[in-house]
Amino acid sequence: LAKTTQPISMDSYEGQEVNITCSHNNIATNDYITWYQQFPSQGPRFIIQGYKTKVTNEVASLFIPADRKSSTLSLPRVSLSDTAVYYCLVYDRGSTLGRLYFGRGTQLTVWP
Amino acid sequence: SAVISQKPSRDICQRGTSLTIQCQVDSQVTMMFWYRQQPGQSLTLIATANQGSEATYESGFVIDKFPISRPNLTFSTLTVSNMSPEDSSIYLCSVEYPSSGNTIYFGEGSWLTVV
Repeated sequence: LAKTTQPISMDSYEGQEVNITCSHNNIATNDYITWYQQFPSQGPRFIIQGYKTKVTNEVASLFIPADRKSSTLSLPRVSLSDTAVYYCLVYDRGSTLGRLYFGRGTQLTVWP
Repeated sequence: SAVISQKPSRDICQRGTSLTIQCQVDSQVTMMFWYRQQPGQSLTLIATANQGSEATYESGFVIDKFPISRPNLTFSTLTVSNMSPEDSSIYLCSVEYPSSGNTIYFGEGSWLTVV
């Protein structure tokens, strides 16, 4: 069973900042939070990963509150090409043992 | 990040036939995973292929239908047997990549259409 809950869909306009939140109330101590982007007919692409506080890379930021029961993926100044499904995945990097379950993901649509 | 190659990328298959999907990774990995993604749906874990042991299947997936091989630390195959139109999906290989702190990476997928 997936351990995560996300909004089914979100809409935005070009140039805006988009924040997608994922709930993971039952996150375990050793779990990491990873976000993926998926375009139609392609495999999910790794975006960012974090354990706590804030992580930033060249494409996104990940905000994780102290209780780690949720996380927020922030995409600055989105463009039309950011239209995709975004998944958050919570798992123990030290002991996956095949239990990597995905939730339904969030369909982000960016409008001109 | 990991470089994961899947073959075929796309195929049209006849009902009742079987097709083997190959997954090649650019580095040695212990854990490999196979997913199915039906149109408009999320990813569903089929099985975990740990090198040196039998694959572990998730509920609803059986070895007779989806036999998996894991001959070495960089390669795995998934066979979809006796296909029916309901097997039309994207099949995805993923790995736990030690060089990136065990981050999970995915191949580009194999899109199968069964007619």
